[in-house]
Amino acid sequence: DQQVKQNSPSLSVQEGRISILNCDYTNSMFDYFLWYKKYPAEGPTFLISISSIKDKNEDGRFTVFLNKSAKHLSLHIVPSQPGDSAVYFCAANWGGAQKLVFGQGTRLTINP
Amino acid sequence: DTGVSQNPRHKITKRGQNVTFRCDPISEHNRLYWYRQTLGQGPEFLTYFQNEAQLEKSRLLSDRFSAERPKGSFSTLEIQRTEQGDSAMYLCASSLGSKGVAKNIQYFGAGTRLSVL
Repeated sequence: DQQVKQNSPSLSVQEGRISILNCDYTNSMFDYFLWYKKYPAEGPTFLISISSIKDKNEDGRFTVFLNKSAKHLSLHIVPSQPGDSAVYFCAANWGGAQKLVFGQGTRLTINP
Repeated sequence: DTGVSQNPRHKITKRGQNVTFRCDPISEHNRLYWYRQTLGQGPEFLTYFQNEAQLEKSRLLSDRFSAERPKGSFSTLEIQRTEQGDSAMYLCASSLGSKGVAKNIQYFGAGTRLSVL
C-alpha cells in the first residue's frame, strides 16, 4: 500500500511564480515529514522538514505546510527559479522507526 | 568532499552473477540506510544500521540480499544470483543518530545503478 502519495507526476510553472507541490499520507502515526529534491544522476538532497507539532515551516523561498486533519502537506516555492527544476519527493517517518517512506515524486519544470 | 559516497556508480551484470556495492557514509554519522529506487517511484527502504548492528530489514530484502557494516564505518550490499527484477538504483543514506530533529534527516549518496541483462 502506498502510504505517501504524490498524485501529480509533473508540474510546470513560469519563472517568478509560485510552485505548489502536494503530498497526501494515510498513516496517522507519521510525525515527521521531509521534502527532498533530486537532480538527474544525483541522490536526493534534503530541502526542508516539518514536525507534526507544527503546521508551517519556512526556509527562505521554501515553505512547507502541514494539515494533519486532512493528512496533507504541501511545499511552496516562491519565487520559482530555473534551478528549481528537479524531481521533488515527499517523505515521512514516525518516532519509533528509522526508515523514510517516500512518495512517487513530482517533476517540477520552471519555464523562463 | 564529506558527503555520502557510493561505488560503483554503474554496474552492468548478467543474470545469475553476484554483485557488491559499497557505501561510505558521512564520517560522524552512526546510522546508515540502504534504499532501492525503480523508475517512476520514490526510494524504498531496504535496511538500516546503527553503528555495526543491522537493526531493521524490509520484506523487500530477500535471502539473496545481504548487507554488512563492519566496524560501523562503510557498508556493503551484496546481491547473489541477480535477476532482471533487481535492476534499479541502489541508494545509501546516513544520519547523525543523535536526539532531536537532526536525527531524522538522512543524507543520500548519488547511488549505484544496477542493470541486470
